[in-house]
Amino acid sequence: AQTVTQSQPEMSVQEAETVTLSCTYDTSESDYYLFWYKQPPSRQMILVIRQEAYKQQNATENRFSVNFQKAAKSFSLKISDSQLGDAAMYFCAYMGGSQGNLIFGKGTKLSVKP
Amino acid sequence: EPEVTQTPSHQVTQMGQEVILRCVPISNHLYFYWYRQILGQKVEFLVSFYNNEISEKSEIFDDQFSVERPDGSNFTLKIRSTKLEDSAMYFCASSDRSPRDTQYFGPGTRLTVL
Repeated sequence: AQTVTQSQPEMSVQEAETVTLSCTYDTSESDYYLFWYKQPPSRQMILVIRQEAYKQQNATENRFSVNFQKAAKSFSLKISDSQLGDAAMYFCAYMGGSQGNLIFGKGTKLSVKP
Repeated sequence: EPEVTQTPSHQVTQMGQEVILRCVPISNHLYFYWYRQILGQKVEFLVSFYNNEISEKSEIFDDQFSVERPDGSNFTLKIRSTKLEDSAMYFCASSDRSPRDTQYFGPGTRLTVL
C-alpha cells in the first residue's frame, strides 16, 4: 500500500524568508501524481501545487516550488518570500495512476513570524 | 471562479441519528469524492463516485455510509446511525473528466456527534 510521510509536525519561518517542507512517499507504481494542499485555520483544503511523476521538471506556482526526486521518492515544497498568509497546515498527498483517491500525509503546521 | 460548496458548515446530532451532508461539486465535473478528517489527524479517503455509482471506497466506508447524486447538482453523504467516532470534518471534492485530474475541495462540514 502507498504511504505518505511528513516528518516535520511543525515548522516556523520568518516573514520574507524561505522555508522547505519535506515529504516522502512509498509506492511501487511508476505512474502517479503528487500534490501539496494548504489548510488554513478556516480548514478548507486549497491546492498549492501538483506534480506528475512522468515529468522531470519540478512544478512551480509563483512563490511555491517543489523538489521532486523520483528515485528517492521525495517531494518537498519550497515557499519563497514567506508571507503571513502562508501560515497553515500543509498536506502532502499521493494519487496513484490507476486510482482517484488521494492519500495524505499527517501534515506540517507552518507558522510565519512577522 | 467555480468552487465546491458544502452545507451545512456545522452539524450537531445525537448518537444514533441519521445525518445527510450535502455538496454541490463544480459544474461539469464528473468525479466526486468524500474525505474525512478527525480533529488533529490526517485526511482520509472515504469514497469516490462516477457515473452514478461508487467507483472506489475505503474500509472506513461501511454499511452505515451511503452516497447519492439525487439530481444534477447535489452529491450527498448519508450516515445512517451516527456514532461518537463519526465526529469529524467531512470534505467533498470533485475533479473534471478523469480520476487523475486535480481534486478541488469544498470548505467542509464539521459533524459533531453527542
